[in-house]
Amino acid sequence: EVQVVESGGGLVQPGGSLRLSCAASEFTFSHYSMGWVRQAPGKGLEWISYITGTGNNMLHADSVKGRFIISRDNAKNSLFLQMGSLRAEDTAVYYCARWDGGSQSFDYWGLGTLVTVSS
Amino acid sequence: EIVLTQSPGTLSLSPGERATLSCRASQSISSSQLAWYQQKPGQAPRLLIYGASSRATGIPDRFSGSGSGTGFTLSISRLEPEDFAVYYCQQYGNSQFTFGPGTKVDIK
Repeated sequence: EVQVVESGGGLVQPGGSLRLSCAASEFTFSHYSMGWVRQAPGKGLEWISYITGTGNNMLHADSVKGRFIISRDNAKNSLFLQMGSLRAEDTAVYYCARWDGGSQSFDYWGLGTLVTVSS
Repeated sequence: EIVLTQSPGTLSLSPGERATLSCRASQSISSSQLAWYQQKPGQAPRLLIYGASSRATGIPDRFSGSGSGTGFTLSISRLEPEDFAVYYCQQYGNSQFTFGPGTKVDIK
């Protein structure tokens, strides 16, 4: 069964950095684009980053552009999100999700990892 | 940037009733790029509908999607207890992904 599992969340001070990871299994990772979607406490879903299967093309939402960088290691079936200059408003559960180009949708999601930005 | 608006914000219904959720886009979008997700408390979102009207794998046929252009609808024909959740529409276009604010379907 397709699985994506996030890790790396935690408490970080404003202005700090954190690197999230997502381990993928039971599908050919390099054949799929991937994305990160976050959800602030009690709020809705916000897409933040996307990367193609080859890793050659990335997109970031304006809210994180210049602060967050998405990357992947296809040899290790892993997706990453390097987060910098963190702000209180970045506090959220961060979900890793597989993008299916055929259906144009995020078809598999992880359980998420919580990032808390606070002093 | 395409903005998605969902209505109503909250829908209070009883089990067995029909639910009709609306998603409106600020400009016309391709039906192939409109999806619906369900999220229950403490859980990750789950894909329900893609391409505006195609059910994802394992989704019961009481869920259906329709619409085109700027107006899309998610219908649940007869609400089951497990259907009470938040529903989000989402579109992809112009190198941007956008989610609507969600509609909460709760028990009346």
